[in-house]
Amino acid sequence: DTGVSQDPRHKITKRGQNVTFRCDPISEHNRLYWYRQTLGQGPEFLTYFQNEAQLEKSRLLSDRFSAERPKGSFSTLEIQRTEQGDSAMYLCASSEKDEQYFGPGTRLTVT
Amino acid sequence: GENVEQHPSTLSVQEGDSAVIKCTYSDSASNYFPWYKQELGKRPQLIIDIRSNVGEKKDQRIAVTLNKTAKHFSLHITETQPEDSAVYFCAARWALGQLTFGSGTQLTVLP
Repeated sequence: DTGVSQDPRHKITKRGQNVTFRCDPISEHNRLYWYRQTLGQGPEFLTYFQNEAQLEKSRLLSDRFSAERPKGSFSTLEIQRTEQGDSAMYLCASSEKDEQYFGPGTRLTVT
Repeated sequence: GENVEQHPSTLSVQEGDSAVIKCTYSDSASNYFPWYKQELGKRPQLIIDIRSNVGEKKDQRIAVTLNKTAKHFSLHITETQPEDSAVYFCAARWALGQLTFGSGTQLTVLP
């Protein structure tokens, strides 16, 4: 499968724990995006990388969230001290030009 | 920042009829407008897009129109089929490539 992949697909964690998600973009894509989607809503932008540089962060992204893209390949999104309000689908997308292609997402449930 | 409004939130049509979904955007600097289809539990799938230098684009049963002056764009699906049933999201791109999504339209095609 040459599409965007994400791991894990599902994560259940207790409030206060830290979680980390991984995204592997399409191999030739230099741009990588993280979005968050809650039930019944469209995806909301979180952050964006061009190669290894993090170029933009949403004001939605509190200081408990951090993202990296070492070497401009895969990316990780870490949430520290999770809260129940963090429960959502976390989507990764990649692009070479305009078109953004999404991965299957990681569904996070904070109990 | 950009704001995208999408209407209607739900739309039911008879199989074979046409469906139209409309979006408006706020930032006149936006230059790229994709449409995504999302089936339940699946990733958003890019179905068609249009750039600001084009007024209309068609791909088989799907077409998108853009009115830059009025800052609105629309998705048209002709000869609808039951497999067209899904949630459709419009989006607009501004700044560094991040997409701002509408709130989605649940399309139901009745057999």
